[in-house]
Amino acid sequence: AQSVTQPDARVTVSEGASLQLRCKYSSSGTPYLFWYVQYPRQGLQLLLKYYSGDPVVQGVNGFEAEFSKSNSSFHLRKASVHWSDSAVYFCVLSARHSAGNKLTFGIGTRVLVRP
Amino acid sequence: DPKIIQKPKYLVAVTGSEKILICEQYLGHNAMYWYRQSAKKPLEFMFSYSYQKLMDNQTASSRFQPQSSKKNHLDLQITALKPDDSATYFCASSQEDWGQDTQYFGPGTRLLVL
Repeated sequence: AQSVTQPDARVTVSEGASLQLRCKYSSSGTPYLFWYVQYPRQGLQLLLKYYSGDPVVQGVNGFEAEFSKSNSSFHLRKASVHWSDSAVYFCVLSARHSAGNKLTFGIGTRVLVRP
Repeated sequence: DPKIIQKPKYLVAVTGSEKILICEQYLGHNAMYWYRQSAKKPLEFMFSYSYQKLMDNQTASSRFQPQSSKKNHLDLQITALKPDDSATYFCASSQEDWGQDTQYFGPGTRLLVL
């Protein structure tokens, strides 16, 4: 069974501050992990993904995430947020080598960036 | 130009009626999917198709029927609509249907059942 937990439903940060969004996963096999972002009234856009190798992966718009197998985590970070980063962020898990590519989503973390 | 088109953008239906949600992708992908986003619930997987063949079905109800008339089309027919079906339905696609393939999402169809 697969599951994703995002413990923070809402996060408020000031513009220019750093941001960390937490994600814990549970997977019966080797995971593929993604972070997607959903801006208001839009679809989901991929920020970054982890398959293997370097546990720190770089994404778009200055985002990065760190995979930890020992902690079953895949936390997202950004050093300095902009007001346009206000959105909902989803941590997503996919099973490796499984036919029928089913994504398992976390509940999402709504980020509000204050000016 | 949008690469994944979903039509309509908004849809209002009455309980008991039937609707079809349209999805077309122009990414040249071989796998397509449907997901549902309901209020207060995580996005949930519904169906996956690969080369127009159903690969996985996680919906509990036969009222939801995917239809693939062309490789780049995956429509979703919903019959006997209920208020609980109110949600945003997202179509997605990926190059192949393996776990490592990135899925790209359409803008969604927001369905309201009265």
